Amino acid sequence: DAMVIQNPRYQVTQFGKPVTLSCSQTLNHNVMYWYQQKSSQAPKLLFHYYDKDFNNEADTPDNFQSRRPNTSFCFLDIRSPGLGDAAMYLCATRPGGSNQPQHFGDGTRLSIL
Amino acid sequence: RKEVEQDPGPFNVPEGATVAFNCTYSNSASQSFFWYRQDCRKEPKLLMSVYSSGNEDGRFTAQLNRASQYISLLIRDSKLSDSATYLCVVNQAGNMLTFGGGTRLMVKP
Repeated sequence: DAMVIQNPRYQVTQFGKPVTLSCSQTLNHNVMYWYQQKSSQAPKLLFHYYDKDFNNEADTPDNFQSRRPNTSFCFLDIRSPGLGDAAMYLCATRPGGSNQPQHFGDGTRLSIL
Repeated sequence: RKEVEQDPGPFNVPEGATVAFNCTYSNSASQSFFWYRQDCRKEPKLLMSVYSSGNEDGRFTAQLNRASQYISLLIRDSKLSDSATYLCVVNQAGNMLTFGGGTRLMVKP
């Protein structure tokens, strides 16, 4: 059974049209992460939450926002997608303060028209 | 110097070969280490955690060398299905996990 679920698997949006990607988890992990991965590159951390504490990476564009209304859900909002935002977006979870690995969702592949 | 570095490859090996990848990290205070496997257009999947004493899981062996700040992954008796990108992940501090750039492996018949 999937423990980190991302919806949708594929998302197409228009240039400049806001889009929201969602992630849910059944693991009750404290920490949730959003990564952006482009072709032939490693995943790049955008931000993460430790419970409700939000941690933004210094080089994450302002265009990217996130919300975590409760332990189970986390959203990635892209306010005005540009062509350069086309990528795979990966959500991951992890027990906070542990040496445990991350668990990834299947990812959402975002295309911009 | 990158925080976590890997040789991007590709490593092209015949079936049955033994292949090894290294991953170096810059932060000596790094606490935990992982190898993930990623297939094309799929999410990373945990292959194995890396323990201080080294650990083995079937054909896969992982080792940690804290003095030289690297971890390694050894794959014995390579299968065609081992073809993938192998990502090294290092927990450098707190909840920050840093990915290496990945090493691409292609196993040929």
